[in-house]
Amino acid sequence: GQNIDQPTEMTATEGAIVQINCTYQTSGFNGLFWYQQHAGEAPTFLSYNVLDGLEEKGRFSSFLSRSKGYSYLLLKELQMKDSASYLCAVRDSNYQLIWGAGTKLIIKP
Amino acid sequence: IAGITQAPTSQILAAGRRMTLRCTQDMRHNAMYWYRQDLGLGLRLIHYSNTAGTTGKGEVPDGYSVSRANTDDFPLTLASAVPSQTSVYFCASSDRAGTTGELFFGEGSRLTVL
Repeated sequence: GQNIDQPTEMTATEGAIVQINCTYQTSGFNGLFWYQQHAGEAPTFLSYNVLDGLEEKGRFSSFLSRSKGYSYLLLKELQMKDSASYLCAVRDSNYQLIWGAGTKLIIKP
Repeated sequence: IAGITQAPTSQILAAGRRMTLRCTQDMRHNAMYWYRQDLGLGLRLIHYSNTAGTTGKGEVPDGYSVSRANTDDFPLTLASAVPSQTSVYFCASSDRAGTTGELFFGEGSRLTVL
């Protein structure tokens, strides 16, 4: 079966760095996405990886290793507004998205 | 630019009633999707449409139907609502010809079936 695993919850301190991991087992691979979802709101697109390596976008970076079925989202200089759930999703060979359950990130002052 | 508009935002419904959740996008995206999101579970695909006039079943299609008469509209109908359909429903769209094909989501419809 297809599966996406990510931690349920993480806590970090304002100004610090946090890494949210995602491992996947899917039927084929056509890209990995990270979305941010604030409580009570819709998910919004953060990043996309289709080749191995690191993609940097401001304070956020996303890494992919296709051979290991592994990705991480790195958030630097954490701000209180970064408190949200972070969703990992993989697009499979049928071009369908398989979603993880999300990681709730709590930022403490 | 509105993006994707869903209606209603929230609804309480008696079991057995018929309900249609509306979704309209103004981005001219070819693909549209309906997801449900439940606590502790990932987004689960109910139905999708790759282009106007076509629809397909997702992971959890039972009890739901969709239509795609034109590019902009993608309504989701619950023919006879049951309490297990209590959830937050998100409509989304994507441009499959785009660079990444990322999804754009509506604000969600919170449905409670009693």
